[in-house]
Amino acid sequence: AQSVSQHNHHVILSEAASLELGCNYSYGGTVNLFWYVQYPGQHLQLLLKYFSGDPLVKGIKGFEAEFIKSKFSFNLRKPSVQWSDTAEYFCAVNAWAGNMLTFGGGTRLMVKP
Amino acid sequence: DAGVTQSPTHLIKTRGQQVTLRCSPISGHKSVSWYQQVLGQGPQFIFQYYEKEERGRGNFPDRFSARQFPNYSSELNVNALLLGDSALYLCASSTTLRGLGETQYFGPGTRLLVL
Repeated sequence: AQSVSQHNHHVILSEAASLELGCNYSYGGTVNLFWYVQYPGQHLQLLLKYFSGDPLVKGIKGFEAEFIKSKFSFNLRKPSVQWSDTAEYFCAVNAWAGNMLTFGGGTRLMVKP
Repeated sequence: DAGVTQSPTHLIKTRGQQVTLRCSPISGHKSVSWYQQVLGQGPQFIFQYYEKEERGRGNFPDRFSARQFPNYSSELNVNALLLGDSALYLCASSTTLRGLGETQYFGPGTRLLVL
């Protein structure tokens, strides 16, 4: 069965710091990869996705992620975080027909003003 | 356009009771999936429905059941509630069941507390 690991459970950064959240998955075939964000009191929103093509994917709010197939990774990055980026971030993988998503455990990001 | 809507937003039940949660997908979306998100964890897949048929099922007991209606809305039923069923139940919709290449859009969830 496929699985997704997010190694950082809690991250605390100051505004303007750079962000990188790790995501690794276990599946050897073709995958679709997603990052979702859950702001406090809000529902899961799609941040970015990778289906195929350029492994560097740009999403909303200045976020980007890089798919490295050889490392089974899809790390999320942002060069300069803002207080409004405080949220929980989930990496998810779809590796099967029927688009069932497998989620990582989430990373709770707190950005100090 | 309206996003995925779910009702109710919050629910409190006692052990042994039964609960029904409702979901309306984004207009034009024909596939609905249900996920359970326990506090501090990522969402876990429960069911997927497409064109009123169950197309996928996660590792959940038979106490969990669901159905999809002709208008593509869906209900999730949980019988004989346990304390461990306390969670945020998320509904997600997508246009089809194409598998790879589809994006799921999530609703706000129903927060269920079992006492």
